[in-house]
Amino acid sequence: EPEVTQTPSHQVTQMGQEVILRCVPISNHLYFYWYRQILGQKVEFLVSFYNNEISEKSEIFDDQFSVERPDGSNFTLKIRSTKLEDSAMYFCASRAGTDYTEAFFGQGTRLTVV
Amino acid sequence: AQTVTQSQPEMSVQEAETVTLSCTYDTSESDYYLFWYKQPPSRQMILVIRQEAYKQQNATENRFSVNFQKAAKSFSLKISDSQLGDAAMYFCAYRSGTGTASKLTFGTGTRLQVTL
Repeated sequence: EPEVTQTPSHQVTQMGQEVILRCVPISNHLYFYWYRQILGQKVEFLVSFYNNEISEKSEIFDDQFSVERPDGSNFTLKIRSTKLEDSAMYFCASRAGTDYTEAFFGQGTRLTVV
Repeated sequence: AQTVTQSQPEMSVQEAETVTLSCTYDTSESDYYLFWYKQPPSRQMILVIRQEAYKQQNATENRFSVNFQKAAKSFSLKISDSQLGDAAMYFCAYRSGTGTASKLTFGTGTRLQVTL
């Protein structure tokens, strides 16, 4: 069964450093998403991506965040200068083209900023 | 903006019994989709069941079923014959039926414990 793959599973970084979280969505999917879950809290939307551009972004997705689909298979989330409050689980998700389809989630990347 | 509310932070059920998790939502749209996701300790998000708002028939997936009350904006999840593997965090989620890449809006979750 096809699945969304995220790497790394856990990343520890120092405050102020840049991190890149990587995702390989399901190959025939068209819509891509990043969500964030701070420990013990609900899952929050960060950004959606379609047709090689951002479709929607939340208030959380400020200038320190960026997304890219550099080679048609990977989908990356870059955080330029990490802060302690960026520590969270980051989920990538992808969805096929029809309205009905559900989003499939990767296993998540746990980001710890120290 | 749409909101999703799960009023039960924690629920407990005995193995083989039935439990119902509540979810309400607020929207002015008529076209939307509702989902229940399960998040076990591994923290992966796993789809349990989905419901299209235009369908009156409640969705079922094996031991999982929903009670969708569109007028009341209620979408509860019933788990029958509960198993130890059902223990997890359960999130209710809403997605608009309009827009090209509409996002999921999640509730705060209900932690389900399954006891022997």
